[in-house]
Amino acid sequence: DIQMTQSPSSVSASVGDRVTITCQASQGISSYLAWYQQKPGKAPKLLIYAASSLQSGVPSRFSGSGSGTDFTLTISSLQPEDFATYYCQQANSFPLTFGGGTKVEVK
Amino acid sequence: EVQLVESGGGLVHPGGSLRLSCAASGFTFSSSEMNWVRQAPGKGLEWVSYSSSSGSIMYYADSVKGRFTISRDNAKNSLYLQMNSLRAEDTAIYYCARELGRGVYYFDYWGQGILVTVSS
Repeated sequence: DIQMTQSPSSVSASVGDRVTITCQASQGISSYLAWYQQKPGKAPKLLIYAASSLQSGVPSRFSGSGSGTDFTLTISSLQPEDFATYYCQQANSFPLTFGGGTKVEVK
Repeated sequence: EVQLVESGGGLVHPGGSLRLSCAASGFTFSSSEMNWVRQAPGKGLEWVSYSSSSGSIMYYADSVKGRFTISRDNAKNSLYLQMNSLRAEDTAIYYCARELGRGVYYFDYWGQGILVTVSS
């Protein structure tokens, strides 16, 4: 199985900050990676797929990069509605696996 | 508007069974690959099972293989998860999720989730 390791597990930030979250796969997954945002009590929301493609309706302050084993989600200017938990997911092979999550908290 | 609505959750004793349903609307269900994803209380996301659009291909996480069965009824626009031999560690919110399509396994729409509690 492919293990997905996210870091950090939590980050404290202020509105307007640039936030970067990393995800590392235990083996190469090409660009088969997605990023999701989840708010408390809600279902996850797809932000980025294929490592860098922005899902329809997602603000352009979200961006993704990487390929192979190392990936990054960047929020260029954090907005109040962005405080949430973020998960990466590999879509290269079954079983599909998620990272452990990164909670973006108010500083 | 795409909608996925789960039902069938609740409290069940260890060793018991439960059948979850997911009613789909707003898209061509019979052309969509579907999945179940779960989240234990306060924990991260765990993929559970996959169904191809026809239902002929299924995959399972090792943690549920042999106990859970995914199925679908395309005439009723519904996805199911039959859960047998339930364990305490199966306690979670269960989401049905649609794949983005084009043969890639990203989840673009999710239901609101349904809670399954396994406890004596």
